Amino acid sequence: ELKVEQNPLFLSMQEGKNYTIYCNYSTTSDRLYWYRQDPGKSLESLFVLLSNGAVKQEGRLMASLDTKARLSTLHITAAVHDLSATYFCAVDNGNQFYFGTGTSLTVIP
Amino acid sequence: NAGVMQNPRHLVRRRGQEARLRCSPMKGHSHVYWYRQLPEEGLKFMVYLQKENIIDESGMPKERFSAEFPKEGPSILRIQQVVRGDSAAYFCASSPWTAPYEQYFGPGTRLTVT
Repeated sequence: ELKVEQNPLFLSMQEGKNYTIYCNYSTTSDRLYWYRQDPGKSLESLFVLLSNGAVKQEGRLMASLDTKARLSTLHITAAVHDLSATYFCAVDNGNQFYFGTGTSLTVIP
Repeated sequence: NAGVMQNPRHLVRRRGQEARLRCSPMKGHSHVYWYRQLPEEGLKFMVYLQKENIIDESGMPKERFSAEFPKEGPSILRIQQVVRGDSAAYFCASSPWTAPYEQYFGPGTRLTVT
């Protein structure tokens, strides 16, 4: 079974700081997804990375994909409180999507 | 353009009862996925359907669970004889046939089994 691991699982960071969340997966996949989930809410799509070397940025978040290393990163720049949420990465094998366990991010003043 | 709709949003069932969860995909979307999320965990794939077809149900428990996506109407996830361990949030997602990997998630149904 395809495994997706994220680290860290919990992240507490101060406003204004930078940090990176890592997502490793166990088998070949050319597509990787990042989602955000607020407590009690559904998932919001952040990024869809479709090829090796893909890099996408939206506001203070930037995601990249290295399919050779089976690694994606979600970089947070100058964190603000509004970014507090749980972030999930996921890969697919054509039919099934496999999600990581999530990184719970808390941004503190 | 309405998003993915799920109902009910909250469902309480006693052990042994049946739970029916409904998912209406976005207009024009022909693919539906169902996921289960236990507290503090990620989403676990259950089943992938297209209209009138089950494409992949390998994530679904073999007993008590079934899913359908009829030609007309919403997709239904049915859980028979619910047990406490079925308590979870159930999310569906839909995607267009042109880009089946572009999933749009519904708000979820939170099932509580008492």
